[in-house]
Amino acid sequence: DIQMTQSPSTLSASVEDRVTITCRASQSFSRWLAWYQQKPGKAPKLLIYEASSLESGVPSRFSGNGSGTEFTLTISSLQPDDFATYFCQQYNTYRTFGQGTKVEIK
Amino acid sequence: QVQLVQSGAEVKKPGASVKVSCKASGFTFINYGFSWVRQAPGQGLEWLGLISAYNGRTDYAQKLQGRVTMTTDTSTSTVYMELRSLKSDDTAVYYCARDLGGQPGDYWGQGTLVTVSS
Repeated sequence: DIQMTQSPSTLSASVEDRVTITCRASQSFSRWLAWYQQKPGKAPKLLIYEASSLESGVPSRFSGNGSGTEFTLTISSLQPDDFATYFCQQYNTYRTFGQGTKVEIK
Repeated sequence: QVQLVQSGAEVKKPGASVKVSCKASGFTFINYGFSWVRQAPGQGLEWLGLISAYNGRTDYAQKLQGRVTMTTDTSTSTVYMELRSLKSDDTAVYYCARDLGGQPGDYWGQGTLVTVSS
């Protein structure tokens, strides 16, 4: 099974900050990596698929990058609505989620 | 519009089984696969398995092999997830999600809380 290690587990930031979350995979793969945003009591929302493709309707301040064993999600200018928990998911072999990163207000 | 509507909350005793449904609408059901994902209270997301609505092929997380069965009913565009021999640590919100290979999890159900308690 491919294990996904996400960091940091918690990130404190201010509005308009640039933030980056990293996911490292236990095995290399090309681009089958997705990023989700989840708010309390809600289902996850797809932000990025195929490592860097922006899901329809998602603001362009969200971007994804990476291949191999290291992938990143960047929010270029953090907005109040972005304080949430973010998860990566590999779907190269079955599916595995990272542990999550909570983005909180500094 | 695309919708996935799940069945209501369940309370079960240890050792029992639970079957959660997920009714799809707004798209061609047999063109998609569906993943089931759960989230224990205050915890992260755990992928449980995937079923193809086209041919019923399933892939299950190794951790749940032998305890979980996913099925579809194409006549009603409904996906089912049955979990047997329930334990207290199966207490979680269970989600279904549309899963199309290259674009997994683009639509999700609202979640179903399953509580396992004696």
